[in-house]
Amino acid sequence: AAGVIQSPRHLIKEKRETATLKCYPIPRHDTVYWYQQGPGQDPQFLISFYEKMQSDKGSIPDRFSAQQFSDYHSELNMSSLELGDSALYFCASSYTGGPGNTIYFGEGSWLTVV
Amino acid sequence: KNEVEQSPQNLTAQEGEFITINCSYSVGISALHWLQQHPGGGIVSLFMLSSGKKKHGRLIATINIQEKHSSLHITASHPRDSAVYICAVTIHGSSNTGKLIFGQGTTLQVKP
Repeated sequence: AAGVIQSPRHLIKEKRETATLKCYPIPRHDTVYWYQQGPGQDPQFLISFYEKMQSDKGSIPDRFSAQQFSDYHSELNMSSLELGDSALYFCASSYTGGPGNTIYFGEGSWLTVV
Repeated sequence: KNEVEQSPQNLTAQEGEFITINCSYSVGISALHWLQQHPGGGIVSLFMLSSGKKKHGRLIATINIQEKHSSLHITASHPRDSAVYICAVTIHGSSNTGKLIFGQGTTLQVKP
């Protein structure tokens, strides 16, 4: 069965550059969530989208933005990158109308800022 | 103090042993999730609980809402169970299931 697909899996950027991460939810899933996990840290919720509208916001820096497109894939845009942005970024998806709203996670995208 | 606390932080077991990982939380929740994270980052959702007990294969998860405590049990542990196990909660009243508060994870190593 198709899972949550994230790309790229690994990304190296320099300080002050911009990075874009993509998340393709499981087909028919209407909700996407983004999380950030710094080295040795707990994951932190960043932002979520339901039916292409932002549904909730967590600890997402102002330098970051995200959106969900008409095909339900989502992109996380990160500008003016800082060394502290180096982390694993993973997304998840769910179908709000499904039983228990089970969340399915992607493999994550590793961002290294040098 | 973190809103979600796990214990132990690290656990080493011999193959075949029964394993318990604990999670305590200090906020009202609508659901509790047990997640498994393997080296390289991929996360798998093992259970989502709002009450009682769930079982899937060798894994059992229980939750006591009154005590704000959940446990994840692994029976007949195997080296392939080696991973980080993360407890995460959805805050009560939140309709956004995926807006999670995560525990710090328990690193499990099962030796053959």
